[in-house]
Amino acid sequence: EVVMTQSPATLSVSPGSRATLSCRASESVRTKLAWYQHKPGQAPRLLIYDASTRVSGVPARFSGSGSGTEFSLTISSLQSEDFAIYFCQQYSPPWTFGQGTKVEIK
Amino acid sequence: QVQLVQSGAEVKKPGASVKVSCKASGYTFIRPYIHWVRQAPGQGLEWMGRIHPRDNSSLYAPKFRGRVTMTWDTSTSTSTSTVRMELSSLTFEDTAVYYCASRAPLGEWFDTWGQGALVIV
Repeated sequence: EVVMTQSPATLSVSPGSRATLSCRASESVRTKLAWYQHKPGQAPRLLIYDASTRVSGVPARFSGSGSGTEFSLTISSLQSEDFAIYFCQQYSPPWTFGQGTKVEIK
Repeated sequence: QVQLVQSGAEVKKPGASVKVSCKASGYTFIRPYIHWVRQAPGQGLEWMGRIHPRDNSSLYAPKFRGRVTMTWDTSTSTSTSTVRMELSSLTFEDTAVYYCASRAPLGEWFDTWGQGALVIV
């Protein structure tokens, strides 16, 4: 199975700053990569699919890039509601997830 | 837009089985593939398997094969369906939050997730 590795595990960012999260696949997944936002006690929320396609209703400050084995999620100007855990997923069977990056207030 | 509502928390003894349900609504004509994912305390997300929308044929992760069963409830309406995930021979390592998630109409990513169900062994 494809192993997904996210870095950093925790990212401390000031509101209004830019955050860049990384996700690496152990082998090429082309662009079959999604990003989700997860807040405690809530259902995960799909943000990005096909590595860079933003879901309708997701703010434009969220952007995804990459292909093959290297991917990133950028939040251009962090808002209070963006502090959460973000995880990546590759979606070729068997589906696998990264361990997540916690974005916390600095 | 599909909505998924899961059953509540469960406490089980080692060796027992647990059933978690996931009610899907809001879909048009055809219910979606439903996947199950779990997250143990302090761990990442782990894919368990998925069930086909038309029947009970399923694809299970090798780790859970032989111990997990996913089935559609037979008493469904045209606009809601309930899928059940049963995990048997529970051990302490099965303590986790179990999520159901629906496959997106246009691709293999998950567009909607349930709220999660805590299972404590």
